[in-house]
Amino acid sequence: GAVVSQHPSRVICKSGTSVKIECRSLDFQATTMFWYRQFPKQSLMLMATSNEGSKATYEQGVEKDKFLINHASLTLSTLTVTSAHPEDSSFYICSAPEGENTEAFFGQGTRLTVV
Amino acid sequence: GENVEQHPSTLSVQEGDSAVIKCTYSDSASNYFPWYKQELGKRPQLIIDIRSNVGEKKDQRIAVTLNKTAKHFSLHITETQPEDSAVYFCAAIPMGTGFQKLVFGTGTRLLVSP
Repeated sequence: GAVVSQHPSRVICKSGTSVKIECRSLDFQATTMFWYRQFPKQSLMLMATSNEGSKATYEQGVEKDKFLINHASLTLSTLTVTSAHPEDSSFYICSAPEGENTEAFFGQGTRLTVV
Repeated sequence: GENVEQHPSTLSVQEGDSAVIKCTYSDSASNYFPWYKQELGKRPQLIIDIRSNVGEKKDQRIAVTLNKTAKHFSLHITETQPEDSAVYFCAAIPMGTGFQKLVFGTGTRLLVSP
């Protein structure tokens, strides 16, 4: 299957700082990528849809100014958690489908800990 | 929007037994239903999927059934093994999204005891 790579896998940052997470499709072009957040023992909650060359679409309740998404190329989407706080500590994971109504491939996920 | 409910939240079975996880969805226009297995700290892995034009699909020890009328679908794992222990998520794709905007169920933690 297709490969989606996410980096970093783990990050610890101080409260108030910003953290950037990268999601790359390694062997296919992804015009659309999705960002999810997963709290411990909970399900994956969609945060936003990242669209190459246009603004991201955020789910209800997700602050677009706090979670900045940039999808500048067909193989890279970035999620920046700005002014991170301890409550932002979570597992962030991206996914990218190869095409419409096809399997979505997930990145490895990023464990963010804000101290 | 689409809402997916999943039961049970935890399931403990003995090795060799069968396990069944059930999901219901709300949007009758959903047409794609994947199942993912997630081990602790890892990414979800697709294990089987079914489309709305099919009622049942099987892949070795894993099978999925879909009842469009009742809007529910189930995952069946036979001859369970300890390595099947993980969290399983069902998902549904609401019609019209084009690319896979997955709506996940709440997850089922499966524990298979030797």
